[in-house]
Amino acid sequence: EAQVTQNPRYLITVTGKKLTVTCSQNMNHEYMSWYRQDPGLGLRQIYYSMNVEVTDKGDVPEGYKVSRKEKRNFPLILESPSPNQTSLYFCASSFLVKTGAVTEAFFGQGTRLTVV
Amino acid sequence: AQKVTQAQTEISVVEKEDVTLDCVYETRDTTYYLFWYKQPPSGELVFLIRRNSFDEQNEISGRYSWNFQKSTSSFNFTITASQVVDSAVYFCALSEVSSRGSTLGRLYFGRGTQLTVWP
Repeated sequence: EAQVTQNPRYLITVTGKKLTVTCSQNMNHEYMSWYRQDPGLGLRQIYYSMNVEVTDKGDVPEGYKVSRKEKRNFPLILESPSPNQTSLYFCASSFLVKTGAVTEAFFGQGTRLTVV
Repeated sequence: AQKVTQAQTEISVVEKEDVTLDCVYETRDTTYYLFWYKQPPSGELVFLIRRNSFDEQNEISGRYSWNFQKSTSSFNFTITASQVVDSAVYFCALSEVSSRGSTLGRLYFGRGTQLTVWP
């Protein structure tokens, strides 16, 4: 079954304790991206990757790191989480058209992160 | 400035009413994609439709229809004879096919419209 898998689904952590949220897709998509969803703000892009070893910042990259060592995986790393990173996080993947534009994205089920 | 504006934060209707969700976008590109996604109370994001900028034909899928108007930069979504199961947050999104490359890889979302359908 074609899917984007995020883990964990729920996470409560303390300020400053490094954490990683994993994301994996089995559709051979070139493009992967991370979003955070906050009430009233919609989905905001954190980082995206258009291919292996190629990553770029989105709208809200501060406090996050990503890596794309393999096509299927795109982990999100919070080196020193803070309470303002409490949010619902989504990973997405997509094919790219010839020019590099994103087509319809498939989303993981979300990770609800609470930083206390 | 928001590239995608969904001015309606919340809409409530009674079952069987028709409802239209508005989406206005902003882009300098002549070629782009527009999308609608649904987020039901369970939280997952479900892709509904993709529209290419060079195809202004309206689309109908069952009770769902989409009205794309380049002249007003709008891509509105209508649900006919709404049902309780349509209750969800709906997001409109934009992807630019820029030959300049500066916005490639960006997928811009509106802030969403919470639709509640009462029985």
